Amino acid sequence: GESVGLHLPTLSVQEGDNSIINCAYSNSASDYFIWYKQESGKGPQFIIDIRSNMDKRQGQRVTVLLNKTVKHLSLQIAATQPGDSAVYFCAEGRDKIIFGKGTRLHILP
Amino acid sequence: EPEVTQTPSHQVTQMGQEVILRCVPISNHLYFYWYRQILGQKVEFLVSFYNNEISEKSEIFDDQFSVERPDGSNFTLKIRSTKLEDSAMYFCASSVGGSYNEQFFGPGTRLTVL
Repeated sequence: GESVGLHLPTLSVQEGDNSIINCAYSNSASDYFIWYKQESGKGPQFIIDIRSNMDKRQGQRVTVLLNKTVKHLSLQIAATQPGDSAVYFCAEGRDKIIFGKGTRLHILP
Repeated sequence: EPEVTQTPSHQVTQMGQEVILRCVPISNHLYFYWYRQILGQKVEFLVSFYNNEISEKSEIFDDQFSVERPDGSNFTLKIRSTKLEDSAMYFCASSVGGSYNEQFFGPGTRLTVL
């Protein structure tokens, strides 16, 4: 079965609102998670990562939350901008990265 | 800012032909990877490479695939006899260290097998 997976294939958010993209994983032993952004025609771009000894990590306008009890992580994007429009992947793995299916984020004007 | 580059951006080939996809990783990176993404699907790990040898490979990476670091800058993926199902975007990635290090991805090569 799939080790990481996203809940929604698409998400539409009003510009300026916060976006929350969710992801579930199945392997309790997973200890490293990454969020990637992929714009059309480009390769995946690292956004933020988190290790399993943490439950929250913040970057610039992004926050990742990890709930090991329910094996769930989320990516929060504050004040969503048109440039945030992309496909977002959650992934896990210290060496080889196992990607989940993406969520396409649409920004509504 | 240093980046991973890949050539060509698009490769069209006939089924059964050999293709070589080229990558130039970031210069001080030591770990190299190939991933592929079939249209509309998720990104899949193919192979990792360190110290001039394969560290790990997936079940996709069968005997038709090989990787090489022919000189100090290039990292190549060869598919010996392409099949229709090899059509995909192929991404090269590199990282300065192994575990827990950020992997930087190139822009990809779109391989179309006819």
